[in-house]
Parts: sequence; structure tokens; C-alpha cells
Amino acid sequence: SQTIHQWPATLVQPVGSPLSLECTVEGTSNPNLYWYRQAAGRGLQLLFYSVGIGQISSEVPQNLSASRPQDRQFILSSKKLLLSDSGFYLCAWSTGLAGKKNIQYFGAGTRLSVL
Amino acid sequence: GESVGLHLPTLSVQEGDNSIINCAYSNSASDYFIWYKQESGKGPQFIIDIRSNMDKRQGQRVTVLLNKTVKHLSLQIAATQPGDSAVYFCAENSNTGKLIFGQGTTLQVKP
Repeated sequence: SQTIHQWPATLVQPVGSPLSLECTVEGTSNPNLYWYRQAAGRGLQLLFYSVGIGQISSEVPQNLSASRPQDRQFILSSKKLLLSDSGFYLCAWSTGLAGKKNIQYFGAGTRLSVL
Repeated sequence: GESVGLHLPTLSVQEGDNSIINCAYSNSASDYFIWYKQESGKGPQFIIDIRSNMDKRQGQRVTVLLNKTVKHLSLQIAATQPGDSAVYFCAENSNTGKLIFGQGTTLQVKP
């Protein structure tokens, strides 16, 4: 079966520090991968998605970047964190097979607090 | 633009009663819809989905209804239990291939 791992679960970082959140998927090949941010009490905002190694699409202009160095690895980064980067970050995957349903499966999330 | 919204931010029900969570969508080209459940501090979990060529689909204690005429989606939970307390999101698969999520409805189950 497929599993998705996301870490760390909680992170407290000072303003101006760098960020690296990692997400890995097991049990599937060539998945579509996604990074979302969720503000407290709000819905999900899509930040980045990737359909393959090295292929990244950005949904909103921001202080963050994403990379996909391996098929099942997705990394969310920042060179200098802002207070507004605080939130709950979720990684998700879906099958990349054409004609299949785009059901996305989520990791447990990372709670980021920028102080 | 596309939007998926929910009619009520919070729904409070008595344990054992049935719950109905509603969702409105705007893109008539969306080909299927998904309901997710998100417990506090966790990632959303897939509950059930429905294709646009269907109007009803049933799972274990849950039923999703789709009314394409008025672009309305609902999730019905039978015999609501305390473990059903969570935020419920609907999502539509847009013609761009991305999921568009609603803002969520909080379901509170009273013992």
C-alpha cells in the first residue's frame, strides 16, 4: 500500500532563517505531488505541484520554493522566513496515471511557527 | 473564477442523529467531487467521491448527493458518532486537473 511521510511534525523558526520541509511517498511510482498551506480555521491553498522529477509549478507568488530531486521526494524551502509563512503545511500525492481519478492523499502535516 | 464554498461554517448535531453537510460549486465542467475529513492537527482524509455522471453514491454510514442543476453537493452521515467530529471539506476536480477545496464545515457532535 502507499504511504506518505512528512517531517518534521512541528517546527519553530526565527524570522529570516531558512526552511526545509521534506515529503516522501512509498508504494507508488511517478506520483503527482503537492504542497498546500492551511491557515488556522481556513481551507487549503495550493502552493506547488509537480508531475515529475524537476518539474515544479508554482500557484502563488511567495517567499517559498519547491524541488523534486527524486521521483518520490518533494521538498519545500525558503531562504529567509517571514512571519506570514507561519501555518500548517501539507504534502499530498495522487496517481499520475492518465484517466485515473485525481484523489489526493495527504500527509500528517507540519505546523510551522515563525517568531 | 472557480470557487467551492460551504453554506455553514459550523454544524452541531446530537450523537445518533444524521448530519448533512452542504457544498456549492461554480464550475459546471468539473468531472468529479471529493469529500475529505480533517481531524484537529492532522491531514485531510479521503471519505468518498462521486463522478459528475452520478447523483448519489453510498459508503459506510456516508452518502454523497450531487445536484448538477443547482451545482450542489452534500455529505450525509448516518447515526453521527463523537468520532465524526472534524472539519469536512468538499473538493471539485477542475478542468485544469487540480482540486479546488471549499473552506470547510466544522461538525460538532454533542453526547
